[in-house]
Amino acid sequence: EPEVTQTPSHQVTQMGQEVILRCVPISNHLYFYWYRQILGQKVEFLVSFYNNEISEKSEIFDDQFSVERPDGSNFTLKIRSTKLEDSAMYFCASSSRQLNGYTFGSGTRLTVV
Amino acid sequence: GNSVTQMEGPVTLSEEAFLTINCTYTATGYPSLFWYVQYPGEGLQLLLKATKADDKGSNKGFEATYRKETTSFHLEKGSVQVSDSAVYFCALSTQGAQKLVFGQGTRLTINP
Repeated sequence: EPEVTQTPSHQVTQMGQEVILRCVPISNHLYFYWYRQILGQKVEFLVSFYNNEISEKSEIFDDQFSVERPDGSNFTLKIRSTKLEDSAMYFCASSSRQLNGYTFGSGTRLTVV
Repeated sequence: GNSVTQMEGPVTLSEEAFLTINCTYTATGYPSLFWYVQYPGEGLQLLLKATKADDKGSNKGFEATYRKETTSFHLEKGSVQVSDSAVYFCALSTQGAQKLVFGQGTRLTINP
């Protein structure tokens, strides 16, 4: 069964450093998403991406965050200057149609120290 | 705004027990409702969904019925197994929205 692959599974970074989280969506999917889950809290929507541009973003997704599809396969989330409160599990997802058949990756646990 | 509230966990049951995990929602319009499951070390997997009132979603012995009058989508299973141990998330999406809105998740542990 096709999978969404996220790397790395765990990343530790120092406060103020830039971090890039990587995702390989399912190859024929057109919609891409990032969510995050701070430990013990809800899974929260960050951003959706379609046709090479952001289609919706949440209040969390401020200027410190950016997304990119640099080639035909990868979908990345960049945090420019990490803060302690960015520590969370970050989930990538993709779908073939809007909100239909979402497939999530297994997540990247980001720890900011 | 749109929101989802789940019963607090963790929930611990014995094998073959009956399971209910409560989920209620607040939404504008007519949302679609989902249950996702996260097994240890894995991503979120869609367990079942319902897109309109009175629809029943079912999968792997789990069921949930979309109840508009009580704004609920409770997850049930008649006889749980150890392999059902996981975190369960209730979620909704509204028409035209790009995103899922999740509840806080309920950790379920089934003891043999």
